[in-house]
Amino acid sequence: SQKIEQNSEALNIQEGKTATLTCNYTNYSPAYLQWYRQDPGRGPVFLLLIRENEKEKRKERLKVTFDTTLKQSLFHITASQPADSATYLCALEAGGSYIPTFGRGTSLIVHP
Amino acid sequence: DSGVTQTPKHLITATGQRVTLRCSPRSGDLSVYWYQQSLDQGLQFLIQYYNGEERAKGNILERFSAQQFPDLHSELNLSSLELGDSALYFCASSVGLAASTDTQYFGPGTRLTVL
Repeated sequence: SQKIEQNSEALNIQEGKTATLTCNYTNYSPAYLQWYRQDPGRGPVFLLLIRENEKEKRKERLKVTFDTTLKQSLFHITASQPADSATYLCALEAGGSYIPTFGRGTSLIVHP
Repeated sequence: DSGVTQTPKHLITATGQRVTLRCSPRSGDLSVYWYQQSLDQGLQFLIQYYNGEERAKGNILERFSAQQFPDLHSELNLSSLELGDSALYFCASSVGLAASTDTQYFGPGTRLTVL
């Protein structure tokens, strides 16, 4: 069956360090993968989209990689700040449906 | 502020009742999407409308229905409510048809509690 796996355990890191979040998927062949940020009780906010022919995408302190062989995307936040504390969701296109399917998200907690 | 508005913010109702959630998309966006988010299910796609027409259906129950009006606002109707329908309901909008490549802008959500 199709699965999108994000670590359900919260990631705790110290301010200034690089946070790395993982999104693994099985039985999908997505052409696109997206990352969103969600704060408690609020709607997700789009961060980055990466296409299958792109290995890496950057935006300010954010970097996303997409390895279609490993079926994995990594999401990095460099020089993390307490304000980066949130849940991060990956979403991927499933079989040409044009509607992304979301993972359950990983909570990131950045300690001052 | 995403530019997407949803009303009401909170809704408390009883089992068996019917409620209507409302969404106004960002100016210029033609697609509206509805999602349900609960603790045990994550963010689940329900339905998409594009310029007034239904375009895609996800895990939407038969007790739920939606529509998009000529002014592009959308309503999600939930009927014969059950305890398990308690969740956050989000509306999102995008310019085009393909949410996988368009940026989706999410509203603040409606928290539905069914007692």
